[in-house]
Amino acid sequence: EVQLVDSGGGLVQPGGSLRLSCAASGFTFSSHEMNWVRQAPGKGLEWVSYISSAGTHIYYEDSVKGRFTISRDNANNSLYLQMDSLGAEDTAVYYCARRGFNYNDPFDLWGQGTMVTVSS
Amino acid sequence: EIVLTQSPDFQSVTPKEKVTITCRASQSIGSNLHWYQQKPDQSPKLLIKYASQSISGVPSRFSGSGSGTDFTLTINSLEAEDAAAYYCHQSSSLPRTFGQGTKVEIK
Repeated sequence: EVQLVDSGGGLVQPGGSLRLSCAASGFTFSSHEMNWVRQAPGKGLEWVSYISSAGTHIYYEDSVKGRFTISRDNANNSLYLQMDSLGAEDTAVYYCARRGFNYNDPFDLWGQGTMVTVSS
Repeated sequence: EIVLTQSPDFQSVTPKEKVTITCRASQSIGSNLHWYQQKPDQSPKLLIKYASQSISGVPSRFSGSGSGTDFTLTINSLEAEDAAAYYCHQSSSLPRTFGQGTKVEIK
């Protein structure tokens, strides 16, 4: 089955760290750019970061730059998001999302999401 | 950064009615505009790609149009299962951005 499975969310104190994972199966993971998108409770979708298929190109949304690190392991079909210096504004459901084969393609496959709550 | 502005923010509609949601981009993005549907407690699902291209498995009552800065998602003959939030998304440039969303409620 073609799917993405997000994990690693939880409750963390302000200033803390968390590492999210996304396990891919059923498709050639190494052929696709991957992304993280988040959604704060009751709010809309916010794109967070992307990593190219080979991991050579990386981009972050301004508010997470310097705090979050995206990475991937193509041998193990996995995507990661290391989140440091977390604040209340980072509380959200985090989704990994697959982009199609072409640069302008949409996100055609999404994980189920993992909830991150930053609170003391 | 390209800002996408959707209207309306909320729409309450009776079944079989037609729904129109618009998305305006702050600068021209060609046809690099996509639409997603998100039902409560679910992940977003791709509905329309490249402004007007249909997606396999998506009911034909969903259609899209537009190019440049102005885009429209149309739901013909709304069904109860279409109650959801709808988001536009641009892939023309980084950072990728989404519209703020339009919530469609069934009366």
